[in-house]
Amino acid sequence: AIRMTQSPSSLSASTGDRVTITCRASQGISTYLAWYQQKPGKAPKLLIYSASTLQNGVPSRFSGSGSGTDFTLTISNLQSEDFATYYCQQYYSYPPYTFGQGTKLDIK
Amino acid sequence: QVQLQQWGAGLLKPSETLSLTCAVYGGSFSGYYWTWVRQPPGKGLEWIGEINHGGGTNFNPSLKSRVTMSVDTSKNQFSLKLISVAAADTAVYYCARGIHLWPLAYWGQGTLVTVSS
Repeated sequence: AIRMTQSPSSLSASTGDRVTITCRASQGISTYLAWYQQKPGKAPKLLIYSASTLQNGVPSRFSGSGSGTDFTLTISNLQSEDFATYYCQQYYSYPPYTFGQGTKLDIK
Repeated sequence: QVQLQQWGAGLLKPSETLSLTCAVYGGSFSGYYWTWVRQPPGKGLEWIGEINHGGGTNFNPSLKSRVTMSVDTSKNQFSLKLISVAAADTAVYYCARGIHLWPLAYWGQGTLVTVSS
């Protein structure tokens, strides 16, 4: 299985800040990479697919980049509703599809 | 508007069988891979497996020996069974809609399944 490793595991920031979360795949996955946002007690929400394409309705302050093994999710001008846990997922090879361990973004 | 609504028993004893069902409202039932993902309390997401409308399946090798999935196309529903559960199977189980080699854009609300004697 392809292993996905996120860093950092947790991150504190303030509203208005710009933050970056990194995801590394154990082997090349081209751009078959998605990012999800999950709030407590809720299902994950798809934010970005194909490494950099925003899902419909996702604010433009979210952006993604990368290919191969290294990917980033950047959130500019953090809003209060952005404090959540973020997961990357590879869908290049399966079974199984695999997720990163998550990055919890909380308020400083 | 696609909606997934899931249900099933929330408390099981070790060695029992977990059984969950997910109903799909809106959109087509064919052409998609109907997926189950779980999340142990305070932990990350684990892909369990998927089934298409024709009954074709793919499972996580780590769970393959204990998992079965089925579809009822007449009701636009799909189901998960996990046999011989243990405490390590305690998790929130989500159903979701997938496409081959594509992420999961629609999710159910999640069902907490607790395994405890």
